[in-house]
Amino acid sequence: DVKVTQSSRYLVKRTGEKVFLECVQDMDHENMFWYRQDPGLGLRLIYFSYDVKMKEKGDIPEGYSVSREKKERFSLILESASTNQTSMYLCASSLFRDRNYEQYFGPGTRLTVT
Amino acid sequence: DQQVKQNSPSLSVQEGRISILNCDYTNSMFDYFLWYKKYPAEGPTFLISISSIKDKNEDGRFTVFLNKSAKHLSLHIVPSQPGDSAVYFCAARQRQGAQKLVFGQGTRLTINP
Repeated sequence: DVKVTQSSRYLVKRTGEKVFLECVQDMDHENMFWYRQDPGLGLRLIYFSYDVKMKEKGDIPEGYSVSREKKERFSLILESASTNQTSMYLCASSLFRDRNYEQYFGPGTRLTVT
Repeated sequence: DQQVKQNSPSLSVQEGRISILNCDYTNSMFDYFLWYKKYPAEGPTFLISISSIKDKNEDGRFTVFLNKSAKHLSLHIVPSQPGDSAVYFCAARQRQGAQKLVFGQGTRLTINP
């Protein structure tokens, strides 16, 4: 059974702080993704990675960066948190050759920036 | 520019009846479509998918229909059960778009006893 874990379920940070969100998957998946979920906007892709040390921008990368030093771990970094980054953050992983293109999601981190 | 749209934010259906969730897309390069289900405080889980070369895929109580000419897909749940109450997301993959998915806004389905 695929398991995707995220370091925190809830996080409260102040404006300007540097924030790290960690994601770990245990199924040797090549692909990893970071999304944010906001009411009325659905899931929007922030960044994704196909391999270690590889990253590509998604649809809304501004204000974020990522790091993938090991295959199982994908980190999302908010360099200087702002209130408009208050959101639910979801990490996902998938096999590179999954014929269903299915992504497996973690439980999410609800981040509040005050 | 929302390439995948779910125009109904919410839907309420009586237990035992059919639930129909709709999704429209604008990008003709999409070649694979998925539906995900999300409970509160959990991540989305995969429900059912369909390739653009098909017009129907069925899995138990869940059936997805694809109308390519209308760029429309729908998810049918029959009969609806209380455990089906969740937010449903439609997602699409773009041909040559590697493994990325584009998600819709979601529809909150409530099944009433």
